[in-house]
Parts: sequence; structure tokens; C-alpha cells
Amino acid sequence: QQQVKQSPQSLIVQKGGISIINCAYENTAFDYFPWYQQFPGKGPALLIAIRPDVSEKKEGRFTISFNKSAKQFSLHIMDSQPGDSATYFCAASMANQAGTALIFGKGTTLSVSS
Amino acid sequence: DVKVTQSSRYLVKRTGEKVFLECVQDMDHENMFWYRQDPGLGLRLIYFSYDVKMKEKGDIPEGYSVSREKKERFSLILESASTNQTSMYLCASSRQGGGQPQHFGDGTRLSIL
Repeated sequence: QQQVKQSPQSLIVQKGGISIINCAYENTAFDYFPWYQQFPGKGPALLIAIRPDVSEKKEGRFTISFNKSAKQFSLHIMDSQPGDSATYFCAASMANQAGTALIFGKGTTLSVSS
Repeated sequence: DVKVTQSSRYLVKRTGEKVFLECVQDMDHENMFWYRQDPGLGLRLIYFSYDVKMKEKGDIPEGYSVSREKKERFSLILESASTNQTSMYLCASSRQGGGQPQHFGDGTRLSIL
């Protein structure tokens, strides 16, 4: 019940295309859903996050879509660029509970071809 | 700017050695975390700490221990290193609460020979 399942494991997208990465969770107590971006040789960095009181959050070319009833959320990267090539991790946690850690998906390696 | 510093980028040790990985954060964060990252397995939590001298086991604590004597420093200890502990180790910190962003260091690539 603590798992976050992420798909696909890898993704190749043409420059200018839309990249879509999906995640599903089981624990209905989760109420914080961030996405992290990791470039080779670097640690992951927070990209964008959403709380379940909204169904969508957009920051520039990055959008999180959230479906509470389906217990799913996804990252959309519009107009994908070669510089977006990285590994992306979704995660989930209980926002207001101290002493808890993020549960991460297994990651998606995105390659944007020029 | 926020900074999490891991003491070594690359480390090579021998089987059976006691190995120390150090992590320091300069943000006065309450929470600190140790993960290992392996291809296809994502980020797996080893231990985390939500206060000085406090620790909680993560998903894969076997073969590891931790120490947090000061708020800014969190150490991961491999009591007797084994080859299956060859991995990338990532440290992170965050403010208190599950809904806070975690700030990661750039990792230590540990090889056990």
C-alpha cells in the first residue's frame, strides 16, 4: 500500500513533442505529490508538486495532472527539448505528518531527440 | 542557496571494511535522509532522521547504520562492507513535515571490491 508505481521506465520523444509520465498510488492518505528531475552526475531536484485539492498544476512547460478517484497522477512536458533529457521520479507522502519520508517511483529516463 | 554536501563523489573500499559516508546541510533542516540509487530500482530509502539523535529505518536498512549527533550532519555507516552495497548513495534534507521539498546532494559513487 506504500508503493508508487511509475511508467514507462524509459521514453524517447522527438524535439517539440509531448512527454507523458504516469504514476499510480494505493495509499489514500497520501496528499502531497512531487516530481523530481535528475541530470547525470547530479542529485534529484524538485521540479513541480501538487496537492489533491486541485486537478492540475502548470509551471511553464511542465504540468501535473491529478486524478484522485483513480489514484493516478502524471507529468506532461510540452514542447519537449533536448535539455529536458533526464531521469524523472514521481513521489508521494502525507504532507502534514512529521517523521515521514517521500515514497518514490522507480524513475523514467527521458531522451529527447533533436 | 540551499546546499547539501556529501563528503566524497567517488569512494572505493574493500569487502569487510567499515565505511563512513558523510553528509552536511546548511539549511537548518530538521529532516535528513539516506537513499541508494540503483538502475531500474529507483531511489530506495535506507534511513532517515527527523531530529538530532533520532532515526527511523527505511525500506532497506539491513547492513547499514546511521548517526546524527548534530543537526547539520548525518552519517551513513556500512558496518562490514559487501559487494552488494556497491551503489550510488544520495543524501537529502528537508524541513519538518511530509509535504516539504527534499534537497539532495550530488551523491557518492561507492564501489566495494
